[in-house]
Amino acid sequence: EAQVTQNPRYLITVTGKKLTVTCSQNMNHEYMSWYRQDPGLGLRQIYYSMNVEVTDKGDVPEGYKVSRKEKRNFPLILESPSPNQTSLYFCASSLRGQGINEQYFGPGTRLTVT
Amino acid sequence: AQKITQTQPGMFVQEKEAVTLDCTYDTSDQSYGLFWYKQPSSGEMIFLIYQGSYDEQNATEGRYSLNFQKARKSANLVISASQLGDSAMYFCAMRSLYGNKLVFGAGTILRVKS
Repeated sequence: EAQVTQNPRYLITVTGKKLTVTCSQNMNHEYMSWYRQDPGLGLRQIYYSMNVEVTDKGDVPEGYKVSRKEKRNFPLILESPSPNQTSLYFCASSLRGQGINEQYFGPGTRLTVT
Repeated sequence: AQKITQTQPGMFVQEKEAVTLDCTYDTSDQSYGLFWYKQPSSGEMIFLIYQGSYDEQNATEGRYSLNFQKARKSANLVISASQLGDSAMYFCAMRSLYGNKLVFGAGTILRVKS
């Protein structure tokens, strides 16, 4: 089944404790992206990757890191989480980085930082 | 810069009636796509319908149709014969041909009453 998976689905952590949210897709998509969803703001892009080893900042990159060492995986790293990073996070992928392709979303990761 | 505006924070509709969710957009690009996503209380993002900027016909997918008025820069979602399962958050989004992300509106919460 074609899908985007994220782990964990739910995470409660404390300020400053490094964490990684994994994202994997099995559709051989070139493009992957991370979004965060906050009430009243919709989804905003954090980072994106056009292909392996090619990543760039989105609209809200502060406090996050990413890497793209393999085509299928695009982990999101919070080196020192803070309470303002409490949010619902989505990973998404599409066939190409350019062109109007449908983006496939993962199930979401609900993160709480206390 | 691109922007999506959804002016209805919340809507109620009676079961079996039709409902229109508003979406206006702003872009200077000529080639773009407009998307609608549904987010039920479980949190996942479900793709509903897509409209290309050069498509002459309004898109339809089952009970969903997109009322695309290019000159007015609007892309309203029409849901016919509402069902209780349609209760969810709905997001309008756009992506330009050479853009690297989906730009989302703030969303509209729809509640279907029995």
